[in-house]
Amino acid sequence: NAGVMQNPRHLVRRRGQEARLRCSPMKGHSHVYWYRQLPEEGLKFMVYLQKENIIDESGMPKERFSAEFPKEGPSILRIQQVVRGDSAAYFCASSPPGDIRYTFGSGTRLTVV
Amino acid sequence: GNSVTQMEGPVTLSEEAFLTINCTYTATGYPSLFWYVQYPGEGLQLLLKATKADDKGSNKGFEATYRKETTSFHLEKGSVQVSDSAVYFCALINAGGTSYGKLTFGQGTILTVHP
Repeated sequence: NAGVMQNPRHLVRRRGQEARLRCSPMKGHSHVYWYRQLPEEGLKFMVYLQKENIIDESGMPKERFSAEFPKEGPSILRIQQVVRGDSAAYFCASSPPGDIRYTFGSGTRLTVV
Repeated sequence: GNSVTQMEGPVTLSEEAFLTINCTYTATGYPSLFWYVQYPGEGLQLLLKATKADDKGSNKGFEATYRKETTSFHLEKGSVQVSDSAVYFCALINAGGTSYGKLTFGQGTILTVHP
């Protein structure tokens, strides 16, 4: 039973490019959460999704960031026109319905140059 | 709103020393409390949890007790090993209302254990 799979592990983008981060939840998990970890800080909640629905996006920056969790395929966190301040580790976690037992992925480390 | 405050690090100890990492929280209602550990270059792993007042979570020699009267969830280990070197995060979930499922993290405490 594979854990939460995130790819890529490392992503380098130039300022102004787009970054796409993927997260495949554990089998049987229909809830996905994205968190961002800025250098030397704790993790901050970004967005909570269920299949085809955004439940809570209160932690998402208002511009350039979007997330989806389609009926088929992984969840995608998309950052348009990246800036240096977007450099961070982005972690995905999944859980079964109605359960607070999270499983975290290993993260995607985004570097904007 | 919810918040978690951890003691500031980094913490440096010798092998077999006693470890305490303080964690206090602010939350409405009855949150569940967690300690996560992050090894270098890896994601977070759940270390232990407690879901109600006076519960004690324990795992791998680590313990933490949910103290509602002091709103605390301090992490302890009687004898640390070099392999315990990692970053430790205290976190809570307020299971109910709009906060359901959303973890609120402390800022993390870096622990380094020397032989």
